[in-house]
Amino acid sequence: RKEVEQDPGPFNVPEGATVAFNCTYSNSASQSFFWYRQDCRKEPKLLMSVYSSGNEDGRFTAQLNRASQYISLLIRDSKLSDSATYLCVVNAPTRRLFGNEKLTFGTGTRLTIIP
Amino acid sequence: DAGVIQSPRHEVTEMGQEVTLRCKPISGHDYLFWYRQTMMRGLELLIYFNNNVPIDDSGMPEDRFSAKMPNASFSTLKIQPSEPRDSAVYFCASSFIQGAMTDTQYFGPGTRLTVL
Repeated sequence: RKEVEQDPGPFNVPEGATVAFNCTYSNSASQSFFWYRQDCRKEPKLLMSVYSSGNEDGRFTAQLNRASQYISLLIRDSKLSDSATYLCVVNAPTRRLFGNEKLTFGTGTRLTIIP
Repeated sequence: DAGVIQSPRHEVTEMGQEVTLRCKPISGHDYLFWYRQTMMRGLELLIYFNNNVPIDDSGMPEDRFSAKMPNASFSTLKIQPSEPRDSAVYFCASSFIQGAMTDTQYFGPGTRLTVL
């Protein structure tokens, strides 16, 4: 089983629609969760962290379900500029002090917003 | 403040040649990561350093790959000899981690490597 699994898509969504992505992770010891965004032929960039209670950043909402080892990202009122690949990212605990430095990236979900 | 700097941005080489990729992390960051990205396997961690010391190189594919970090502002990833299956985008990332918090990793623009 992959450490982080995502539906690769592509998701083709009309502008203004709401779209949701899901991600599952295998390591129950993971403590930190993120969504990164990667534009075509560019580097990944942090979109938002995911907190236990769920969190919002404008049109973006992230949720975490520890019992099911499941993370989600919801994008409301989608814009053309939201077209990108969204990477689900989970820390891979190590034996080092705190051990939070190592991240495992999902292979990404590709989103295209259609005018 | 400048972000993570990588060079070269593109590299085309022939099988068997040595390839050296370079990275300058963000000043003050104490972690540096080398990743490889392909369509098939996504983003894979190759090796990472903390305060210039290699911590985990379990992702390095084989002995043909080596990485160094001689000082806090410079790291290299070397492939010798290169093979066509090494063709990928290689990213360097850096972060500053305090205590138990996992901080953002800031990625460089990547080096697109093609081995013919």
